[in-house]
Amino acid sequence: ETGVTQSPTHLIKTRGQQVTLRCSSQSGHNTVSWYQQALGQGPQFIFQYYREEENGRGNFPPRFSGLQFPNYSSELNVNALELDDSALYLCATRAGSNTEAFFGQGTRLTVV
Amino acid sequence: AQRVTQPEKLLSVFKGAPVELKCNYSYSGSPELFWYVQYSRQRLQLLLRHISRESIKGFTADLNKGETSFHLKKPFAQEEDSAMYYCALRGAGGTSYGKLTFGQGTILTVHP
Repeated sequence: ETGVTQSPTHLIKTRGQQVTLRCSSQSGHNTVSWYQQALGQGPQFIFQYYREEENGRGNFPPRFSGLQFPNYSSELNVNALELDDSALYLCATRAGSNTEAFFGQGTRLTVV
Repeated sequence: AQRVTQPEKLLSVFKGAPVELKCNYSYSGSPELFWYVQYSRQRLQLLLRHISRESIKGFTADLNKGETSFHLKKPFAQEEDSAMYYCALRGAGGTSYGKLTFGQGTILTVHP
């Protein structure tokens, strides 16, 4: 079992609301990536943070934003929620550029 | 652009039969290829990566740059191999750095 923990595990929000998802990093892991996994699809890269700076972003609009804290924990914020934002959100942390990424168990977001 | 294709959404075999999960990729540089597995009610976890060239749980995968493929193989499938398998590619630099691009996944079912 890895040390990557996501909270909450499930969440229901209304269209137009804002949501914050959290990810605690495994010890020593300074890089975190966030992924969106729609039903029946593989995970899609949202963005990546390294030492509190965003250093990579996928094809997601600016209403998807993030933060990484000095202890390397991380948040994913989504504003103006849309029905299509309903998905499983995964975070993955790793210790360096050429190391294995460890995934959290995910947060299931439902937008109604 | 990075792209990973897993042509089979579902694959069923009987215990003891050989199994091959197909993965093709598109990437202009030298990619790093991975196979991730997700067992029922568990988080996504790394099965193997091409640079390790090792066999994990009897599975092997060879990177074929000519055919741009990274198929996962096991000579004798076991019931406990039943899971969702994702092929993934990690880019080497630029805005792709660290980003994992996943295929859509193949659900493997091994029947007794």
